[in-house]
Amino acid sequence: NAGVTQTPKFQVLKTGQSMTLQCAQDMNHEYMSWYRQDPGMGLRLIHYSVGAGITDQGEVPNGYNVSRSTTEDFPLRLLSAAPSQTSVYFCASSPAGVSNEKLFFGSGTQLSVL
Amino acid sequence: AQSVTQLDSHVSVSEGTPVLLRCNYSSSYSPSLFWYVQHPNKGLQLLLKYTSAATLVKGINGFEAEFKKSETSFHLTKPSAHMSDAAEYFCVVSDLGGSYIPTFGRGTSLIVHP
Repeated sequence: NAGVTQTPKFQVLKTGQSMTLQCAQDMNHEYMSWYRQDPGMGLRLIHYSVGAGITDQGEVPNGYNVSRSTTEDFPLRLLSAAPSQTSVYFCASSPAGVSNEKLFFGSGTQLSVL
Repeated sequence: AQSVTQLDSHVSVSEGTPVLLRCNYSSSYSPSLFWYVQHPNKGLQLLLKYTSAATLVKGINGFEAEFKKSETSFHLTKPSAHMSDAAEYFCVVSDLGGSYIPTFGRGTSLIVHP
């Protein structure tokens, strides 16, 4: 069982470039989310989805777009990368919508914007 | 709104001595509380969770946490630290008021000395 798969693991961008971070889960989870992790800040929620076709903003959504066309996939798009988006990004999922279930995390994407 | 405060950004212990990582929460509802661990360059893994059953929760690797409503605390403990416990630990709260979207603390880095 693959769980939550994130690609790429590492990425370097120039300011102004765009890219998509991929996230896929094979557990049929309804809830998927994207976090960014910065030193001393914990994990901050960027966007989340409670099911296919439904997305919503988290705490730090500016500069990021998401879509959820299938249950399995939840890509995160950086529209015009900025140095402030240098961070480690984690995708996470949990079963049966938003509930008190635990989160399953991907292994992360380390992004540097020069 | 739900929130969580991890009272120490760093905790340093010697191998074989007890571990105490402190977490206070704020919630207007019956919260669900979680502790996650992140080893260096890894994703996050659930240690334990509280969801209104027994107030003393036992997790993996000998960790446990006690839910104290009167003190709004959910501190993580372990009787004897091991070198492999060195990691970042996150306290997480979710409740109905926050639509069960998890809110992460800023993390506590546990350092274990030989």
